[in-house]
Amino acid sequence: DADVTQTPRNRITKTGKRIMLECSQTKGHDRMYWYRQDPGLGLRLIYYSFDVKDINKGEISDGYSVSRQAQAKFSLSLESAIPNQTALYFCATGGTGNTGELFFGEGSRLTVL
Amino acid sequence: QKEVEQDPGPLSVPEGAIVSLNCTYSNSAFQYFMWYRQYSRKGPELLMYTYSSGNKEDGRFTAQVDKSSKYISLFIRDSQPSDSATYLCAMSVGTDKLIFGTGTRLQVFP
Repeated sequence: DADVTQTPRNRITKTGKRIMLECSQTKGHDRMYWYRQDPGLGLRLIYYSFDVKDINKGEISDGYSVSRQAQAKFSLSLESAIPNQTALYFCATGGTGNTGELFFGEGSRLTVL
Repeated sequence: QKEVEQDPGPLSVPEGAIVSLNCTYSNSAFQYFMWYRQYSRKGPELLMYTYSSGNKEDGRFTAQVDKSSKYISLFIRDSQPSDSATYLCAMSVGTDKLIFGTGTRLQVFP
């Protein structure tokens, strides 16, 4: 089983719908992240969390919200999806080591029509 | 201006070639420098990590950091078709938040 699991892997929805992307990890890491990847723009940070009580905005948090339900679970919500939120979304975890290495899930491809 | 700039490619080379991938950055406070490799339909995986300036070698891969020029490089020797992927540079001031380049798509043909 993957260490960082994202669900769903693919989702097509309509403008205005509420969408939740879920992430769970078995690595025991405290730090969790949500990124989105777009062609030509690379990976951009949406939100990150260092523990259950800590939530921080990234560079593109507008239109998104997150919930850290437990150390192992971090979900991303789009309250009212719009077409320019069509992208590949990645969850990642980071340990307490001094390298800053992130471990990524396989991605969730979201299409907003 | 983006904090991290990376040529998106694509870069197409024959098997056995030496590949050079590069990123420039503007934030002189960056101390941690990484290269991630991303295969199609997969998440990125850490390939190389360097702290501060200098070189690091791991098999066919060499990472270089030149902080005076704000420039990092990844060299791949004896490139193989299995090296075909997107390579993303990433860097950070501390260890808590990585800033990624846009990624360079590499194709190694037999």
